[in-house]
Amino acid sequence: EDQVTQSPEALRLQEGESSSLNCSYTVSGLRGLFWYRQDPGKGPEFLFTLYSAGEEKEKERLKATLTKKESFLHITAPKPEDSATYLCAVQEGKDSSYKLIFGSGTRLLVRP
Amino acid sequence: DTGVSQNPRHKITKRGQNVTFRCDPISEHNRLYWYRQTLGQGPEFLTYFQNEAQLEKSRLLSDRFSAERPKGSFSTLEIQRTEQGDSAMYLCASYPSVFGPGTRLTVL
Repeated sequence: EDQVTQSPEALRLQEGESSSLNCSYTVSGLRGLFWYRQDPGKGPEFLFTLYSAGEEKEKERLKATLTKKESFLHITAPKPEDSATYLCAVQEGKDSSYKLIFGSGTRLLVRP
Repeated sequence: DTGVSQNPRHKITKRGQNVTFRCDPISEHNRLYWYRQTLGQGPEFLTYFQNEAQLEKSRLLSDRFSAERPKGSFSTLEIQRTEQGDSAMYLCASYPSVFGPGTRLTVL
């Protein structure tokens, strides 16, 4: 069964303190791995899609990387406005629906 | 606005009542998805449409739930005889990575 596990569940950082969030996955052939940001009471906001091991993508202070078993979301010099829940999701390669299977997320709090 | 819209944004209902939510996807996207998200969890897949055809349903979608997408445009999700366990955020997504703002359902 396809599974996505995110760690840590919660992370508190001081402003400027860089760190990484982990997403481990088990899937029968990965079509794509997605990262989202979600603010309280809102829908997930798309950040990145990664398709193959070794791929990296960056956006402002965020950088996502992918291996055959996990993905990391690196946050460099975070600011308080980066506080949110970060969700990871996978698409299984043989699934014709292209639906996403999500992890439970990492709640990030960045203190000024 | 070219994003996904959902209405209403919030719905409070009493147990046993029926509720209906609407999703307007991005117009050129023929795939539409419904997910449910409870507090502290990631979204869970409920059902998927390609144009007007409902092609997959999750086991989470009990007989009290029904979804439609007439003419392959907007979609509705109806929950009959609501239960307290139905309280959640209901999310709609357009092909498959663009999510709407969600409808927060509270069943009293």
